[in-house]
This record gives sequence, C-alpha cells and structure tokens, in this order.
Amino acid sequence: DQQVKQNSPSLSVQEGRISILNCDYTNSMFDYFLWYKKYPAEGPTFLISISSIKDKNEDGRFTVFLNKSAKHLSLHIVPSQPGDSAVYFCAASATHPGNQFYFGTGTSLTVIP
Amino acid sequence: DVKVTQSSRYLVKRTGEKVFLECVQDMDHENMFWYRQDPGLGLRLIYFSYDVKMKEKGDIPEGYSVSREKKERFSLILESASTNQTSMYLCAIPGGGAYGYTFGSGTRLTVV
Repeated sequence: DQQVKQNSPSLSVQEGRISILNCDYTNSMFDYFLWYKKYPAEGPTFLISISSIKDKNEDGRFTVFLNKSAKHLSLHIVPSQPGDSAVYFCAASATHPGNQFYFGTGTSLTVIP
Repeated sequence: DVKVTQSSRYLVKRTGEKVFLECVQDMDHENMFWYRQDPGLGLRLIYFSYDVKMKEKGDIPEGYSVSREKKERFSLILESASTNQTSMYLCAIPGGGAYGYTFGSGTRLTVV
C-alpha cells in the first residue's frame, strides 16, 4: 500500500512562474519529509526537507509547506527555470535518521522557456 | 563529499542470467539500501542492510538477494533475470542532506 502519494504524474509551467508540486501521506507516524530531484540517468539528489515541528521551510527559490492535519506537503518553486525540469520525489520517514524513507511516485516537471 | 558508487551505469542482460549490481560507499555507514525506480511507481525498497552480513527485506524482495561481506560494499543479485526486472536500480546510504539519503548514480538494467 502506497504510504506516500504524488497524484500528479506530470506538470508543465512557463519559465518565471510558480511550480507547485503536491504530496500526500497516510502514516501519521511520519515526522520527517524530504524532496528529491532526479534527472534522467542520474540518482536523486536532495533538495529540501522539513520536520513535523515546522510548517514551512525555505531555501532560495524552493519552499516546502507541511499541513499535518491534512497529511499533505507541497513544494513551491519560484521562479521556475528550465533547469528545474526533472522528476521530483517526496519522501517521508518516521523518527530517527537512517530509518527507511518511503517515496512517492514522482512528478515530472517541465519548465517551458 | 559523500560518495556512493555504482559500478555500472548501463547493463543489458539476457533472461535467466545471474546479475550482480555493485554498490560501494566511502562513509563507513552501517546502513545501505537498494531501490528500484519505475515510471509511475516511484522508488521502491528491495533490500537494506544495517551491518555486515545483516540484511532485511524491503517492499519488493522477490527475485532478488543481497550480499554484504564488507561494510563498504552492498551487492544486489538477480538470481535469474527476467524482463520485469528491467528498471533503474539505485543504491543509497543515509546522509548527504538533512538526514536524507545520498544516492548513487544508478544502474539502468535492461533484461532482454
């Protein structure tokens, strides 16, 4: 059973606009969340994280929002750039570092120049 | 910088062959993970290891086995490759960004 879901397999956005990628989870024990970015033929690379004690974390053009009551998180990219075109995975984990992360199915973002 | 090295970027194997995918880390970490990535299915955990000679099944272990004889090396073995094992295989260790994972560059395996 998929514990982390990304319901949009793909998203297209114009350069300079906002990209919003969504992620839902079912396990209320999850308390740590990450977003990864993946280019074809490469491994995923860490983008941004958030713990359950926060509802927002910002790093440059990337902001992650967490709504614990809705078990929902989102990644905002502002402004979107063509180099952001990639597959984005959200991931969730319970408790300690080193524990298993559960990944969503991914959203393929295309930023149109 | 943390390094996770997967020995092959691309592999083509025949149905029924025994296939070895190798992963080496330079961080002396106890935990190592093998995932496969498929379109529409995301990353799914095959096996993980929390110490030398220790292993645990992940969510989709069928058709796979693993070996961890040395701390730095974690091998994924396809005992008899089948076409439904055509996939991108990713090795990971904890670390490299706020308690997440560092991934290797992946091995794209095609079974024909």
